[in-house]
Amino acid sequence: GAGVSQSPSNKVTEKGKDVELRCDPISGHTALYWYRQSLGQGLEFLIYFQGNSAPDKSGLPSDRFSAERTGGSVSTLTIQRTQQEDSAVYLCASSLRLAGAYEQYFGPGTRLTVT
Amino acid sequence: QQQVKQSPQSLIVQKGGISIINCAYENTAFDYFPWYQQFPGKGPALLIAIRPDVSEKKEGRFTISFNKSAKQFSLHIMDSQPGDSATYFCAASTDSGTYKYIFGTGTRLKVLA
Repeated sequence: GAGVSQSPSNKVTEKGKDVELRCDPISGHTALYWYRQSLGQGLEFLIYFQGNSAPDKSGLPSDRFSAERTGGSVSTLTIQRTQQEDSAVYLCASSLRLAGAYEQYFGPGTRLTVT
Repeated sequence: QQQVKQSPQSLIVQKGGISIINCAYENTAFDYFPWYQQFPGKGPALLIAIRPDVSEKKEGRFTISFNKSAKQFSLHIMDSQPGDSATYFCAASTDSGTYKYIFGTGTRLKVLA
């Protein structure tokens, strides 16, 4: 079946502009994660959604970052007033989130460049 | 205590050789340890994973060795091939809360033909 999809694949924006990044998880997956991968770095957890529960926002680096998940499916990560340090690849992952089923499946990512 | 330390940062191996990547953790609550493979321009793909109730798991040429007492785990790639050249990430997760992954910093593997 279809995997996790993300759009756009690349985004170049000017400093100070707002951007929206989209994630379509695997159908039926109830859990959705956003991670950030900076150049040459590992993956940093940003936010987690599970069903109708309150999201875990503990990884968001500042209040310029927000995310929502509509209808338990598609998610949008919004970065307001972008800064150059926001340049990174933003990865989305989804999971069944059943007991013992921890596997997360990643999308191809959105490469964000802030000029 | 939430960190996962990964080494080496980069690795060059001859074709047919064994590639070994190591990870260490502090949080004893971690109970799921996956390895991901990432090619340039692609998202990470799950390679193999282990839980702490076993000391080794093998899938094809890929083996995870797990040492619970030392809080260490490693990925062994047997008969390494040029197509294995990629960046490898270890991660750890716990069954409490969000199941979010704590990732290592990655190992860039290059297998010479």
